[in-house]
Amino acid sequence: GESVGLHLPTLSVQEGDNSIINCAYSNSASDYFIWYKQESGKGPQFIIDIRSNMDKRQGQRVTVLLNKTVKHLSLQIAATQPGDSAVYFCAERPGGYQKVTFGIGTKLQVIP
Amino acid sequence: DAGITQSPRHKVTETGTPVTLRCHQTENHRYMYWYRQDPGHGLRLIHYSYGVKDTDKGEVSDGYSVSRSKTEDFLLTLESATSSQTSVYFCAIGRDNEQFFGPGTRLTVL
Repeated sequence: GESVGLHLPTLSVQEGDNSIINCAYSNSASDYFIWYKQESGKGPQFIIDIRSNMDKRQGQRVTVLLNKTVKHLSLQIAATQPGDSAVYFCAERPGGYQKVTFGIGTKLQVIP
Repeated sequence: DAGITQSPRHKVTETGTPVTLRCHQTENHRYMYWYRQDPGHGLRLIHYSYGVKDTDKGEVSDGYSVSRSKTEDFLLTLESATSSQTSVYFCAIGRDNEQFFGPGTRLTVL
C-alpha cells in the first residue's frame, strides 16, 4: 500500500546550525501534510502543517516545503537548539478524511 | 495540552490475558484514535472513532477491539494479549485538521 517514508533515520547538527529533515510520500491523493515532534517518553506534538495547494509555509523557526512534483516534504529548523533534539515524523492525510499515515521518523541530535 | 489522559501509563501482563487501555479527553472532541508505535514503524492506526458508538478499523486492528460509550472515553481492549502486542500505545483526538496525542501507555506482554 501507499505509505510515508523518510530519507534519513538520524541527523546530527551543531547547535546554531540549520536542520533539514526530509520525507518522501507516495499517496498522490493526500492533500494535507503534517510534521510532528516526539521527545523521549512523550507523545507526538504537532509542529506545522501544509496543504497541497501550497509549496511553503513558515512558523516560528520552522519552515515546511512541499514539492508535489517529486512528492517530497521537508522540515527546516533554523538556529537549531538543544531542545530541538527529538524524533520528527512527517505524516499525510488523504483529502476529506481524518485518518493520517505516519512516516517512521528521523532522530535529530543537536551537538552543543 | 488537549486534555488527554491515558491509563494505565505502564502495564506488564501475561500472554492470553485480556487488557483494556483507557483514553480520556476533557474537550468533547468527536474524533478519537488509537495507535501503536514500534521501532522501525511509524505510528500505526489500530481503530478510530467518529462519535459515540461509531468506530472503524485502522490498518492493524486484528486482535484489538474498541468501545466508545461516552464522548470523553475511548477504550482499547486486547481480548487475549500476545507478545506481538508489546508496544507503546497512543491515543489521539482530532481537532480541526490536527491530531493531539496523549502521553502513551507502555504495554509489555510476557
